Amino acid sequence: DAKTTQPTSMDCAEGRAANLPCNHSTISGNEYVYWYRQIHSQGPQYIIHGLKNNETNEMASLIITEDRKSSTLILPHATLRDTAVYYCIVRVWLFGVDSNYQLIWGAGTKLIIKP
Amino acid sequence: DVKVTQSSRYLVKRTGEKVFLECVQDMDHENMFWYRQDPGLGLRLIYFSYDVKMKEKGDIPEGYSVSREKKERFSLILESASTNQTSMYLCASRNRGGSYEQYFGPGTRLTVT
Repeated sequence: DAKTTQPTSMDCAEGRAANLPCNHSTISGNEYVYWYRQIHSQGPQYIIHGLKNNETNEMASLIITEDRKSSTLILPHATLRDTAVYYCIVRVWLFGVDSNYQLIWGAGTKLIIKP
Repeated sequence: DVKVTQSSRYLVKRTGEKVFLECVQDMDHENMFWYRQDPGLGLRLIYFSYDVKMKEKGDIPEGYSVSREKKERFSLILESASTNQTSMYLCASRNRGGSYEQYFGPGTRLTVT
């Protein structure tokens, strides 16, 4: 079962910050939050991940609440090319399998950037 | 750039046929994955492999099998295709250590009639 819930769809104006929320209220202490996005007709693309501290890279920022029950992905200056489905994912360890884990995917948020 | 390729973008098969989906990665990654993607359900893990000839069941392995004879190649097999296996199939790979980023192929849209 999915461990995350996200809005089905969101709009954002081009040039504005896009804030995508995600709830993961049953997340365990050692489970990471990942974000991927999928542009139409392509495979998913990694964006960012974090455990409890906020993270930033060249694509986005990830804000995780102190209780870790929710997070927000921020695209600081959205462009039309950011139109995609954004997946919030929990990474769980596969016990007994060395250095391996499984990504538990939610249904995703369809983000539409409008000119 | 990491490249994951899948043998077909679109495939149409008949019920009962044996179907092979091939995935090849060029980055010497140890781990490879097969997912299916259905509307409203996100991605669901079918099988994964963490080494040559090794395989582990994911969440929905029923009706599927896999083969990993070479490190760069991971095949998904539908022994007897059924209409409920009509879906988008995505292959991914990653390095065992370091970054936990998975690299995905473009997907194969399989239709079983």
